[in-house]
Amino acid sequence: AQSVAQPEDQVNVAEGNPLTVKCTYSVSGNPYLFWYVQYPNRGLQFLLKYITGDNLVKGSYGFEAEFNKSQTSFHLKKPSALVSDSALYFCAVRGPYNFNKFYFGSGTKLNVKP
Amino acid sequence: GAVVSQHPSRVICKSGTSVKIECRSLDFQATTMFWYRQFPKKSLMLMATSNEGSKATYEQGVEKDKFLINHASLTLSTLTVTSAHPEDSSFYICSARAPDRASNTGELFFGEGSRLTVL
Repeated sequence: AQSVAQPEDQVNVAEGNPLTVKCTYSVSGNPYLFWYVQYPNRGLQFLLKYITGDNLVKGSYGFEAEFNKSQTSFHLKKPSALVSDSALYFCAVRGPYNFNKFYFGSGTKLNVKP
Repeated sequence: GAVVSQHPSRVICKSGTSVKIECRSLDFQATTMFWYRQFPKKSLMLMATSNEGSKATYEQGVEKDKFLINHASLTLSTLTVTSAHPEDSSFYICSARAPDRASNTGELFFGEGSRLTVL
């Protein structure tokens, strides 16, 4: 069965510092991995995805994520956090056998303080 | 990116009434749309998969008669919460997969969500 885990409910970081939001996955077959961001009372916005190829994926708003097959992880990173990055972040996995079904993590609230 | 529009963004209704939420794909055709419910502790729960021209596929534990889904066209899916009760109060979000015919690796695009409050 496909699943993702986000071990941190909340991540606090100072503006200008690097940030990491963690995600680990469990899938059958090759994973299709995604990161989404949600601002209060809004839908989810797509940030980036890993399908195949380079393990380091670059996405929107300066975010990137590193796919690590041996550690089954797909952590979201940004070299320098902005206060406006404060939001709820979701990791998701979609298995190759049912491409319509996405499995979301429980979300991590990112707080970037000035 | 692809745009998904959801309406209304907020709705308040009395217990026992029905509420309809619309989800439209604005710049692409979506044969399949998805309805999620987001609980206060943030997690997203897939409720059902809406299929154009056929019956929706519901996830285990989701009441089909309570949450009616209709996908009448390639750009519109509706979720009707029938005989709503306070426990149905939640944030409902629709999504559609971006068309990617070559590899089926399209990401989901989400509507802005609908906050339902049942009094």
